[in-house]
Amino acid sequence: NAGVTQTPKFRILKIGQSMTLQCTQDMNHNYMYWYRQDPGMGLKLIYYSVGAGITDKGEVPNGYNVSRSTTEDFPLRLELAAPSQTSVYFCASSYNEQFFGPGTRLTVL
Amino acid sequence: GESVGLHLPTLSVQEGDNSIINCAYSNSASDYFIWYKQESGKGPQFIIDIRSNMDKRQGQRVTVLLNKTVKHLSLQIAATQPGDSAVYFCAEQSGGSQGNLIFGKGTKLSVKP
Repeated sequence: NAGVTQTPKFRILKIGQSMTLQCTQDMNHNYMYWYRQDPGMGLKLIYYSVGAGITDKGEVPNGYNVSRSTTEDFPLRLELAAPSQTSVYFCASSYNEQFFGPGTRLTVL
Repeated sequence: GESVGLHLPTLSVQEGDNSIINCAYSNSASDYFIWYKQESGKGPQFIIDIRSNMDKRQGQRVTVLLNKTVKHLSLQIAATQPGDSAVYFCAEQSGGSQGNLIFGKGTKLSVKP
């Protein structure tokens, strides 16, 4: 099993650009999550999903959108990138404990 | 402010010593607690968890202690090794809702050879 995979690993965006962060898991987990981690801080939940077709907001959802059309995939969309969205983004999936992907480091200039 | 926090932001220990990382939480309704390890440039990795009906749980070289009276959680690492150097996060969850896991800021553990 590959576990949780994320692409891309790194990305630099200009203000106002859009992009999609990809997340895939091969463990058949119903629960999937997106977190952001700012320097020296813990993780903050952006969105989560309890299964295909069902998503819900976390603590910091503004500026982001998600979709969950399959059990495996949970992409995170940034429509109008802002400098405040510069962060490391982690995707996770769970049955009980959460398994995390390696992260995407995003810089918005 | 955050409901989960840590007493010390950094901890430096000698190789072979025991390490204790502390965490305070404020939500008395939290019933599930997890410790994660995050190495530089990687995602968090599950270490050990504990439910509120327990006060101690042991794993391989790690022990988690839960004191519900003072809302305090600790992670003990026995015979700390250089490979244990990382940032450690505690996280809390209430009501069985897997969408409501709240992370603390983390403690950086440095192991001196």
